[in-house]
Amino acid sequence: EDQVTQSPEALRLQEGESSSLNCSYTVSGLRGLFWYRQDPGKGPEFLFTLYSAGEEKEKERLKATLTKKESFLHITAPKPEDSATYLCAVHGLGGGGFKTIFGAGTRLFVKA
Amino acid sequence: NAGVTQTPKFRVLKTGQSMTLLCAQDMNHEYMYWYRQDPGMGLRLIHYSVGEGTTAKGEVPDGYNVSRLKKQNFLLGLESAAPSQTSVYFCASSYWGDQPQHFGDGTRLSIL
Repeated sequence: EDQVTQSPEALRLQEGESSSLNCSYTVSGLRGLFWYRQDPGKGPEFLFTLYSAGEEKEKERLKATLTKKESFLHITAPKPEDSATYLCAVHGLGGGGFKTIFGAGTRLFVKA
Repeated sequence: NAGVTQTPKFRVLKTGQSMTLLCAQDMNHEYMYWYRQDPGMGLRLIHYSVGEGTTAKGEVPDGYNVSRLKKQNFLLGLESAAPSQTSVYFCASSYWGDQPQHFGDGTRLSIL
């Protein structure tokens, strides 16, 4: 069964305390793994796309990596403004046609 | 440069009423999507479209209908609303199926 599981559900960090968020996935015909940020009352905002195992992308304090079974979003020296829900999604194209599957998200709280 | 615009932003319905949610995008994207987001669950795909005049079922299509008569618009209809359809509905678009999705800010729908 195609699915995406994110852990932890919630993460509380002190400002400057680095950590990682995990996204484990199973999907047939992977066409891309996507990370989004969602602020309260807003729609998800795109962060990164990863297409193949071994690929890495960086943006400011965030770095995303991909293996054949999971992806990590590493947050280095976070600031309070990094507080948000981070969503992982996979796009697949298998026998059942096009699929887009989102994880439930990790809620990140960064305290000053 | 509006991106993806959803109307209305809030709505309260009574059980059995019908309504249509409108999504408009100005990025000339081929793909458009409708999701629902419920507490503790990831975004779940209701219906999607791969181009003007096309629609396809997603993960949770029952109780909803869609139409895409113009490339820039994607409509989601509820013919007979039920309390189980209380949710936040997000529309998204992308240039192609393996590209990042751009989201609107959602419609908060309550059905009493």
